[in-house]
Amino acid sequence: DTEVTQTPKHLVMGMTNKKSLKCEQHMGHRAMYWYKQKAKKPPELMFVYSYEKLSINESVPSRFSPECPNSSLLNLHLHALQPEDSALYLCASSRSGQTAGEAFFGQGTRLTVV
Amino acid sequence: RKEVEQDPGPFNVPEGATVAFNCTYSNSASQSFFWYRQDCRKEPKLLMSVYSSGNEDGRFTAQLNRASQYISLLIRDSKLSDSATYLCVVNMEAGFQKLVFGTGTRLLVSP
Repeated sequence: DTEVTQTPKHLVMGMTNKKSLKCEQHMGHRAMYWYKQKAKKPPELMFVYSYEKLSINESVPSRFSPECPNSSLLNLHLHALQPEDSALYLCASSRSGQTAGEAFFGQGTRLTVV
Repeated sequence: RKEVEQDPGPFNVPEGATVAFNCTYSNSASQSFFWYRQDCRKEPKLLMSVYSSGNEDGRFTAQLNRASQYISLLIRDSKLSDSATYLCVVNMEAGFQKLVFGTGTRLLVSP
């Protein structure tokens, strides 16, 4: 099973809303990632969790707050977003260790901020 | 300099052609290398990992040149279904999982 499941698939939210994106994997991977992808651009790394601890934060604004409740789940809490935050948000997981394994991606959440 | 760079293309080729993509990376300590393919409005999907000795999977061949810090992907006998964006991905820091995408190269295969 090489599946990473993201919910919801689509989300429209106002600038004052609070919402959460969810990601789940059951491959036993101990590294999980959030990426943001704008149209016609490559995915841009936001956060990396390794063994449920935040290991990389690529200077992401605090209106994005990641959480890793356990080794299978990854959340991204959203608050007071801006219209320019509208994008495809991709979750991925991989083996952890000295060298990163291949990352498997969920289908993404297409976020629109109005 | 960007951490991982690719020629954005597009590469327009006829069916049956051979096409090659290159990707350069900035950190000589990078350990893991991958090629992904992404179709329009879909998530990236792993095409192949890139090993030091080079590796082949059917019509696809990947090579790594550590001295020059680039990886390549060769596609032989292109099919219409190969039309997609090809992204190289590099783990930029040894001991950490920092998988960074290149800018992507768009391939269009025409009949």
